[in-house]
Amino acid sequence: SAVISQKPSRDICQRGTSLTIQCQVDSQVTMMFWYRQQPGQSLTLIATANQGSEATYESGFVIDKFPISRPNLTFSTLTVSNMSPEDSSIYLCSARTSYNEQFFGPGTRLTVL
Amino acid sequence: QKEVEQDPGPLSVPEGAIVSLNCTYSNSAFQYFMWYRQYSRKGPELLMYTYSSGNKEDGRFTAQVDKSSKYISLFIRDSQPSDSATYLCAIWPGGGNKLTFGTGTQLKVEL
Repeated sequence: SAVISQKPSRDICQRGTSLTIQCQVDSQVTMMFWYRQQPGQSLTLIATANQGSEATYESGFVIDKFPISRPNLTFSTLTVSNMSPEDSSIYLCSARTSYNEQFFGPGTRLTVL
Repeated sequence: QKEVEQDPGPLSVPEGAIVSLNCTYSNSAFQYFMWYRQYSRKGPELLMYTYSSGNKEDGRFTAQVDKSSKYISLFIRDSQPSDSATYLCAIWPGGGNKLTFGTGTQLKVEL
């Protein structure tokens, strides 16, 4: 299995600012992902974080708004840039192991005022 | 047609009941099937992970896959109030592809 931690767990931010969320996995994993979840909704994939190269974004998500880094096999960051109230959501880091199991972090609850 | 359909619930059952949670999917390319449990204000927790058709049991939980019908189920025996959560099915074709999630079923187990 993989244990995933995220920082911060929650934040309240002002419109127009940026927030970087950190994700740390306790073991090497093959793939890392970033998801967004609105209250009461299912999960929406933002992007796949690729080690040492640009992330692969899903339709509707762009690098300028959600820059992602993955400098090694166990760490990734997601930045939410130039935030607006519509970015208020829960952001989840996820990782897939070599056994094809996919685990999630506890989430970062973001509120944009 | 959505790739995966999940009974929306909410589902309310008495303590000790057997709970059946279900999803159907449309594409036979999906080979891996997962169930996640998500408590309020927490991240999803991987409960069950299956590859083949048939049953997989883990304690009070049984995951069932019928690839011919494209139907997956999660059974919870002797349900407890601590089982109250949202349950998400997820399907995956394998490789570098992404998981496809159901919309989730909210379960409440009442004393």
